[in-house]
Amino acid sequence: QVQLQESGPGLVKPSQTLSLTCTVSGGSISSGNYYWSWIRQPAGKGLEWIGRIYTSGNTNYNPSLKSRVTISVDTSKNHLSLNLSSVTATDTAVYYCARGGGFDFWSGSLDRYYYYYMDVWGKGTTVTVSS
Amino acid sequence: DIVMTQSPVSLPVTPGEPASISCRSSQSLLHDNGFIYLDWYLQKPGQSPQLLIYLGSNRASGVPDRFSGSGSGTDFTLEISRVEAEDVGVYYCMQALQAPPTFGPGTKVDIK
Repeated sequence: QVQLQESGPGLVKPSQTLSLTCTVSGGSISSGNYYWSWIRQPAGKGLEWIGRIYTSGNTNYNPSLKSRVTISVDTSKNHLSLNLSSVTATDTAVYYCARGGGFDFWSGSLDRYYYYYMDVWGKGTTVTVSS
Repeated sequence: DIVMTQSPVSLPVTPGEPASISCRSSQSLLHDNGFIYLDWYLQKPGQSPQLLIYLGSNRASGVPDRFSGSGSGTDFTLEISRVEAEDVGVYYCMQALQAPPTFGPGTKVDIK
């Protein structure tokens, strides 16, 4: 059973780069038809999707964060990384990593599709941006 | 980005009674393949979100059959046929049709 564990500094100074790691256990980060994503949640607020990286290496980022975000995978360590540069207090949040699993299905016209959903989540790690 | 809204914001429920949460999207979530690209997640107190429903109406593995999802186009509903105490938390709908995936603001369900 795949499990995810986020880790990283709990406090980051404004203008610095926030760097987090998500360690994957119980499975390989580089195999299968998955993506690995980051989502964040400011205290008492809703969920914001940050971005994802597929096992193919393709990435998607939230346009609102794209200029500051990098998501990468280290297959030797079986972990996912998030780098968010030039942070401000508005980046203070709980950061979650999640796996995008899914399945094949066929439409009525017998075309094949793949649907992803976030089926495994880490417990989250709290990051505060403050001097 | 597709904007997701939910109602109500807060929903006090009585155990054993039904409950219903509404979700609306700013654009149709109907894919060209005929399927609805909408998921529902539940975030229990102090926990990370967990998948309940995918493709609009399909229960995720291990989700009790008292949960059901329905809807079309831009209007969707999550129903709980008989609420149990363990169902408390914040429910989020999320569109998966276009990147970036976007979440609704959440509906907090608690026991009366």
